[in-house]
Amino acid sequence: GDSVTQMEGPVTLSEEAFLTINCTYTATGYPSLFWYVQYPGEGLQLLLKATKADDKGSNKGFEATYRKETTSFHLEKGSVQVSDSAVYFCALSGGSARQLTFGSGTQLTVLP
Amino acid sequence: GAVVSQHPSRVICKSGTSVKIECRSLDFQATTMFWYRQFPKKSLMLMATSNEGSKATYEQGVEKDKFLINHASLTLSTLTVTSAHPEDSSFYICSAGGGTSGPSTDTQYFGPGTRLTVL
Repeated sequence: GDSVTQMEGPVTLSEEAFLTINCTYTATGYPSLFWYVQYPGEGLQLLLKATKADDKGSNKGFEATYRKETTSFHLEKGSVQVSDSAVYFCALSGGSARQLTFGSGTQLTVLP
Repeated sequence: GAVVSQHPSRVICKSGTSVKIECRSLDFQATTMFWYRQFPKKSLMLMATSNEGSKATYEQGVEKDKFLINHASLTLSTLTVTSAHPEDSSFYICSAGGGTSGPSTDTQYFGPGTRLTVL
């Protein structure tokens, strides 16, 4: 079945540091790929997505490129802020019912 | 656009009572809604998929009679936890997707979650 493997956390960075959170997937067919962010005590917010190979999703300074050859969708940001502290989930959608398969989540803490 | 609301945001109940959680898509019609459960510091576990006007499809290991799901319209789905027990305490999150119009139909939009505590 489909699966998503995410970099284990927690990740702690200083403000303005470069961020990478690795995500790889296993799926049949051509899934859509997503990054969601969850702030403490809240639900998930869509951060960015990509629907086909070589697409780059971007939002709020975050980027991720759909790499079919390496089955990866790594999340990057050039300069993180304290307000980026949250849990980040990588996910894929491949079924006809558009069910999402989530990675385990990566806790990011950014220190001032 | 693409706002999903949940009500209540928090609920505390006694063991043995039933609790209903509502999930609404506020600015789009969702043919499909999903219910998830999230344990502390864990990822989301899909409980069931509900399609408007039909019975929900439950994931393996999820008790249908305990977690009743109703998707009566294109903007409302409800999850009722029947005869709740302390082990049902969790964070329940709904999402809506597959919209017939408005935001992208291949994307799920999540509600803010409901924290259930069963005493």
